[in-house]
Amino acid sequence: DTAVSQTPKYLVTQMGNDKSIKCEQNLGHDTMYWYKQDSKKFLKIMFSYNNKELIINETVPNRFSPKSPDKAHLNLHINSLELGDSAVYFCASSHLGSSYEQYFGPGTRLTVT
Amino acid sequence: QKEVEQDPGPLSVPEGAIVSLNCTYSNSAFQYFMWYRQYSRKGPELLMYTYSSGNKEDGRFTAQVDKSSKYISLFIRDSQPSDSATYLCAMSPSGSARQLTFGSGTQLTVLP
Repeated sequence: DTAVSQTPKYLVTQMGNDKSIKCEQNLGHDTMYWYKQDSKKFLKIMFSYNNKELIINETVPNRFSPKSPDKAHLNLHINSLELGDSAVYFCASSHLGSSYEQYFGPGTRLTVT
Repeated sequence: QKEVEQDPGPLSVPEGAIVSLNCTYSNSAFQYFMWYRQYSRKGPELLMYTYSSGNKEDGRFTAQVDKSSKYISLFIRDSQPSDSATYLCAMSPSGSARQLTFGSGTQLTVLP
């Protein structure tokens, strides 16, 4: 049983395109996150939602728009993709009161050419 | 200067060695200290967490926090090839909606 799943696992696209990444968790958590991991393995928070409400919104270009249809799902839409967007994007989830214990998905490796 | 600094390595040790991984930080508000392990092409997974200062042991792993020095460590005893991974330290302040701040990770290889 997959706890946190992401689709797609790999995404190769050209500059200027729009793409979406989907995330689902079946752990019953109320909080979900999007992280970006660059080529040097640095993992940085982008957004966090608690019960469909945005609670963390880091300095991220407004080309990135998260959307949480319900507390088990968190999607990430990226407009006008740029070369610098190439990275691995991780979804994670936790209980709000235990945000130190986050469960990560397998990642989506985005390559922009 | 980053809030959390971690030596990226790579670190290579023989099987059975004791491994010491470290992070330093600058934000005095950090109260929760975590170690995540990330295998190649996988998502990070939580190994251990510690609240405030002190030590915590779990099997072959020991986490130490020294808040006075703003320094945390993870020790791995009797290291195994299966421990080969990138180890990420992470920290957060108290309160709800705590945001984790990660170190850049240390890549560890345990040679058989």
